[in-house]
Amino acid sequence: SQQGEEDPQALSIQEGENATMNCSYKTSINNLQWYRQNSGRGLVHLILIRSNEREKHSGRLRVTLDTSKKSSSLLITASRAADTASYFCATVSREGNKLVFGAGTILRVKS
Amino acid sequence: DVKVTQSSRYLVKRTGEKVFLECVQDMDHENMFWYRQDPGLGLRLIYFSYDVKMKEKGDIPEGYSVSREKKERFSLILESASTNQTSMYLCASSFIQRRNTIYFGEGSWLTVV
Repeated sequence: SQQGEEDPQALSIQEGENATMNCSYKTSINNLQWYRQNSGRGLVHLILIRSNEREKHSGRLRVTLDTSKKSSSLLITASRAADTASYFCATVSREGNKLVFGAGTILRVKS
Repeated sequence: DVKVTQSSRYLVKRTGEKVFLECVQDMDHENMFWYRQDPGLGLRLIYFSYDVKMKEKGDIPEGYSVSREKKERFSLILESASTNQTSMYLCASSFIQRRNTIYFGEGSWLTVV
């Protein structure tokens, strides 16, 4: 069953613009993670935010978490064509030990 | 660097064939996972294993089985492949999943004809 649901399903922007992707989930979580997948390849971990954290940065990535709304957002600043990929959020519940993924957002950055 | 290696990148099998997808990790991870990925559905967990010879069903185990005889190796078995099992299969591994990230292989594209 899907826990996280990403929004939008697809996003197309110009190089240099910021890209924002949102994720909503249903149950209480221990942490939320964002992954990136280049076309036809495996997933690569980007960033993890714990349930007691509200914001985290990593390079051009900024992740926020609002546990009251059960939502998270991933912001990529100053996007590049190489950022073109699918982005997935995934959650680990407080009780469980497995990662549950959403359907992903397809990001296309045009140069 | 962590390496999760899936033995086959592309496979084409016939309906009814027995299919083995192999995965090996080199980081001494306790946990290993098999997911399948389909357009619009994201990744769905088929099975996972938290120790040698231990396994647990994920969300979509029907039609699949797994084997973990050694810590570094986790095999996914399709006993009798069907066309609705045509998909991308992703293997992953991790230490303690609650706090650590999981590492994925490059994926195996399986087409059942």
